[in-house]
Amino acid sequence: QSALTQPPSASGSPGQSVTISCTGTSSDVGGYNYVSWYQQHPGKAPKLMIYEVTKRPSGVPDRFSGSKSGNTASLTVSGLQAEDEADYYCSSYGGSDNLVFGGGTKLTVL
Amino acid sequence: QVQLVESGGGLVKPGGSLRLSCAASGFTFSDYYMTWIRQAPGKGLEWISYITTSGTTAYYADSVKGRFTFSRDNAKNSLYLQMDSLRAEDTAMYYCARGGRTTVTYWGQGTLVTVSS
Repeated sequence: QSALTQPPSASGSPGQSVTISCTGTSSDVGGYNYVSWYQQHPGKAPKLMIYEVTKRPSGVPDRFSGSKSGNTASLTVSGLQAEDEADYYCSSYGGSDNLVFGGGTKLTVL
Repeated sequence: QVQLVESGGGLVKPGGSLRLSCAASGFTFSDYYMTWIRQAPGKGLEWISYITTSGTTAYYADSVKGRFTFSRDNAKNSLYLQMDSLRAEDTAMYYCARGGRTTVTYWGQGTLVTVSS
């Protein structure tokens, strides 16, 4: 059982926006601004897309944005493109010298 | 550019041991916490351990505590994961990554560990 809860799937048409949620507790997501999001294409290593809730690493398109409200963090992908189809994972500082992950969300571009 | 290259994976019998290595380049290795994360086939990501910059302290997930040992050699820009008392549920792709308990910024391509008789 994953520490953070994500929907197993999400989908959208090209050009649309889609939001993926990541729900934890006040001990992890809600307690710290250390939520990250990773993109993983099949057979590839994950890639950091968002860190510290809202920050984008250099090279990540600004179509990707992050937010948090209470114990739930969200990743929004705007202007969906075919190459955005991938698995997305959230992570958070777990509060006990640990990092916790969500179970992952498969994003399908219709 | 940051590069992380894992090695040492393979097939091992239950109860056996394996030592993974990770060679780092493209950044000042001794400045960063480092992490191991694994992914069972078809499953999600699981954090298993991170180590401080000096290597004096490592933290472990409960699932591997007491069986796995994470170490680093800053002179060689290398990480090591000694895995003992391996179980079938340890079968996974093992990734080394730069970062610690708040986020991981770069990932290696992974090395596959299969525990089976």
